[in-house]
Amino acid sequence: NAGVMQNPRHLVRRRGQEARLRCSPMKGHSHVYWYRQLPEEGLKFMVYLQKENIIDESGMPKERFSAEFPKEGPSILRIQQVVRGDSAAYFCASSAFAEVGELFFGEGSRLTVL
Amino acid sequence: GDSVTQMEGPVTLSEEAFLTINCTYTATGYPSLFWYVQYPGEGLQLLLKATKADDKGSNKGFEATYRKETTSFHLEKGSVQVSDSAVYFCALTTNTGNQFYFGTGTSLTVIP
Repeated sequence: NAGVMQNPRHLVRRRGQEARLRCSPMKGHSHVYWYRQLPEEGLKFMVYLQKENIIDESGMPKERFSAEFPKEGPSILRIQQVVRGDSAAYFCASSAFAEVGELFFGEGSRLTVL
Repeated sequence: GDSVTQMEGPVTLSEEAFLTINCTYTATGYPSLFWYVQYPGEGLQLLLKATKADDKGSNKGFEATYRKETTSFHLEKGSVQVSDSAVYFCALTTNTGNQFYFGTGTSLTVIP
């Protein structure tokens, strides 16, 4: 049973470019979370999605950032016009929520903005 | 609002020393509590969990007891190994909102 798959694992962008990070949840999971981890800092919640719905985006910057989880295909976190401060590790996690359960994390996508 | 506060690091211990990482929480309702571990360059992995008061979660020699009276879920291990070097995150989720709240993480380094 494949785990949470994130790609790319490493992404380098120049300031002003766009970054797209993908996350395929575990099979059977319909709840996806995105977190950002800055160097030497903790894990910051960004957004929680279910299929075709954004449930909670309270942790996501109002500008340049967007997320989706379409009916078919992976969840995508999109960062437009990246700046150096966007350099971080972005983690996706999924959950089944048949009952209150755990989050299963991907290995993360590390974005470097030059 | 719901939140988790955990002991700040970094923590450095000698091999076979006793480990405690403190975690306290604030929550409405009846949260489930978790400890996650992150090894260098990897994602977070569930270490242990407890879903109701007085439950003890345990795994790989680590233990944590859900204490409702002190709103705590401290992580302990009797004898740490070099391979336990990692960042440890305390987390909670409640039955409403399906949201997870993480602490800031505690970095542990175990030296031979």
